[in-house]
Amino acid sequence: GESVGLHLPTLSVQEGDNSIINCAYSNSASDYFIWYKQESGKGPQFIIDIRSNMDKRQGQRVTVLLNKTVKHLSLQIAATQPGDSAVYFCADQAAGNKLTFGGGTRVLVKP
Amino acid sequence: EPEVTQTPSHQVTQMGQEVILRCVPISNHLYFYWYRQILGQKVEFLVSFYNNEISEKSEIFDDQFSVERPDGSNFTLKIRSTKLEDSAMYFCASSELAGKDEQYFGPGTRLTVT
Repeated sequence: GESVGLHLPTLSVQEGDNSIINCAYSNSASDYFIWYKQESGKGPQFIIDIRSNMDKRQGQRVTVLLNKTVKHLSLQIAATQPGDSAVYFCADQAAGNKLTFGGGTRVLVKP
Repeated sequence: EPEVTQTPSHQVTQMGQEVILRCVPISNHLYFYWYRQILGQKVEFLVSFYNNEISEKSEIFDDQFSVERPDGSNFTLKIRSTKLEDSAMYFCASSELAGKDEQYFGPGTRLTVT
């Protein structure tokens, strides 16, 4: 079926450590993947995207890895900061403009 | 930085009443979307809109829902006769291009149906 899901509902991480958030997708037709961050009371905020012709993309303190063989996506946050505390969603897009979101992972940064 | 805005931030309505949720997309964007998020659940796609037409809609978007771009800046979602299960956060989004382009989300409207 067409679904994007997350393995871990909550991730606790020490400030300064790296965070890794994982996501599995099942739609083999998906060719565009996005990570969103959602802080309390706000809408999803774009973090980084990756197209299926790539397996890695880096942004500022974030890296997205795509493994099409096992249909797995991950978001790595380097040197996690208190401001990184939020819920992180992966989403995929196949044909059309519709985004299919995963269930979300809450990241809690401990000082 | 340009942003998507939504009003109201919170709407309380009685079951059976009509509600209109309003959005102002980013000014040079041409594609508009509504998503919803029931408390504790995933963000779900409702509808996409381009050139004054619905381009795609989900199974959730039944005859009780409609969208409109009444002028050059607003994009609205109307729920004709609200049900308890319509209670959710409703997010508007817009993108400049179609397809694989970043969708910018607004802050959402929390709809509570009593």
